[in-house]
Amino acid sequence: NAGVTQTPKFQVLKTGQSMTLQCAQDMNHEYMSWYRQDPGMGLRLIHYSVGAGITDQGEVPNGYNVSRSTTEDFPLRLLSAAPSQTSVYFCASSYSPGVGGYTFGSGTRLTVV
Amino acid sequence: QQPVQSPQAVILREGEDAVINCSSSKALYSVHWYRQKHGEAPVFLMILLKGGEQKGHEKISASFNEKKQQSSLYLTASQLSYSGTYFCGTGGPQAGTALIFGKGTTLSVSS
Repeated sequence: NAGVTQTPKFQVLKTGQSMTLQCAQDMNHEYMSWYRQDPGMGLRLIHYSVGAGITDQGEVPNGYNVSRSTTEDFPLRLLSAAPSQTSVYFCASSYSPGVGGYTFGSGTRLTVV
Repeated sequence: QQPVQSPQAVILREGEDAVINCSSSKALYSVHWYRQKHGEAPVFLMILLKGGEQKGHEKISASFNEKKQQSSLYLTASQLSYSGTYFCGTGGPQAGTALIFGKGTTLSVSS
């Protein structure tokens, strides 16, 4: 049982490049979220999904896109990377956040130069 | 709006107790507590729901005060393994609303 798998673990991008951060879970969880973590800022919600085909914006959605074509996968796309997007990105999933907790992936450390 | 956590940091010796507070300017429906060790992902500790009572997990427990729009995490007889950053996350009125996290409280336990 792999849980939540994020790839890649590390990535360096040049300003203006685009890329997709992958997130996959094998627990049949409907609820998935993307967070970014910056020093002193806690975990800030980027986008989230309550099931396949349904996504919504979080606190800091600008510069990011998501889609949810299957229950298992929830990729995060950076459209045109900027240095301000340098951060650690976490994907998380839950069976039911009103009953139980989220399981987090191990994170992707992204540096934009 | 992010919930506000206090204090920002706590330094303890083994065996001492600590309380971490999480306050919201909006009505609270659910509060999640997580612990994150340096370089690792956050790990779920417990959830408290509106109308629920105090919950416990080993020597860590939490309360939910609906009137004060506040939750508190209690760590008793702290151990070295309790060191890390603690986050509270608040949920909205609908079951599918994603969590909004506070900025975290860093707990350091020394021997």
